[in-house]
This record gives sequence, structure tokens and C-alpha cells, in this order.
Amino acid sequence: EDQVTQSPEALRLQEGESSSLNCSYTVSGLRGLFWYRQDPGKGPEFLFTLYSAGEEKEKERLKATLTKKESFLHITAPKPEDSATYLCAVDTGTASKLTFGTGTRLQVTL
Amino acid sequence: DTEVTQTPKHLVMGMTNKKSLKCEQHMGHRAMYWYKQKAKKPPELMFVYSYEKLSINESVPSRFSPECPNSSLLNLHLHALQPEDSALYLCASSQAPKRADEQYFGPGTRLTVT
Repeated sequence: EDQVTQSPEALRLQEGESSSLNCSYTVSGLRGLFWYRQDPGKGPEFLFTLYSAGEEKEKERLKATLTKKESFLHITAPKPEDSATYLCAVDTGTASKLTFGTGTRLQVTL
Repeated sequence: DTEVTQTPKHLVMGMTNKKSLKCEQHMGHRAMYWYKQKAKKPPELMFVYSYEKLSINESVPSRFSPECPNSSLLNLHLHALQPEDSALYLCASSQAPKRADEQYFGPGTRLTVT
């Protein structure tokens, strides 16, 4: 059975304190890994798609990387507005179904 | 434009009511999805429509009835719900079924069943 595990469950950072979120996966065949940001009470906002090991994507203070077993979301010099839950999800080719991790709740304080 | 819209934003209904949730996208996407999300949990897939045909039903109770009138619209009809069905209902769309494309989510409908 496909499994996606995110760590840590919650992370509190000070503004400017860089860190990384982890998404490890055990799947039969990875077709794509997706990162989303979700603010409370709102729908997930798409951030990145990664398809193969070694791939990297960047957007502002965020950088996503992918290996054969895990993905990292690196946050450089975060700001309070980066506070949100970050979800990763994998597509293993089963008819467009995504398997989500349980998310990392990030809080960035001044 | 990567916008998926959902109405209403909030809905309160009694257990004997019938109501509908609506979702719309104008990105030309041919796959559309309904998810249910409880507090502090990830979204759970309910239904997938591919080219306006239902392709996946994740064993959802029959009190939830999806409908895809055309390629831009997705409805979720609700009838005789239970309090445990209270949740955030999310609609999403992606470019084509069976491709590993990103899904774009709407803002959700917050449903409360009393």
C-alpha cells in the first residue's frame, strides 16, 4: 500500500530562520510528487510538481527537491506570511488519485 | 488563470434537508474531483470525473450524489446527511485524467450538518 509520511508534524520558526520539511514516501511507482500550501479554512494552493529523482523547483523563498525515497521543501529566510500547513501528495498512476501526507503545520514568528 | 470556484462558501443544513454544492472551472480541464477534509487532516478523495463521466467513487455513502453537467461544472447533491458529514468540501480539477498533472483546488464549502 502506498504511504506518504511528513515530518515534523509542526514546526515553529523565527523570521529569517531557514529550515526544511520532509516528505518520505513508499509507493509502487511514483509518477509525480506535489507540494501544496494550505491556509486555515481554505483550499490547498499548488506549489510544485516533481517527477524524477534529482529534480529541483524554486519559487521565492521555497525550494523543493526529490530523491528516490523522499522530498524536501526548503524554506529560506521565512516570513510570517509563510505560516501555513504544507502538504505533499504523490501520484502513483492509479487513475489520477493523489495520496496525501498528513502535513506539516508551519508557524513563523517575528 | 488557475481558478476553481465553489459555492456556497458556507452551508448549514439539517439532517432532512436537500442541498447542492457547486464547482466551476474554466481552464479546459477534463478531470474534476470532490474531496472531503476534516480539521487537521489531509483531503480525502470522494469522487473523480474523467471527461464528464464518473470514473472513481471511493465507496462514498449514497447520501452524496455527484453530477457533472458539462466539462466546466461539477455538483455534489446532499441528502439526509449526518452530523459526522460536517467538513470542508473541496473541488479540484486537473488537465487530463490518468496523467500526473497537478490538481488545482477551489476554496471549499464549509458544511455544517445540524
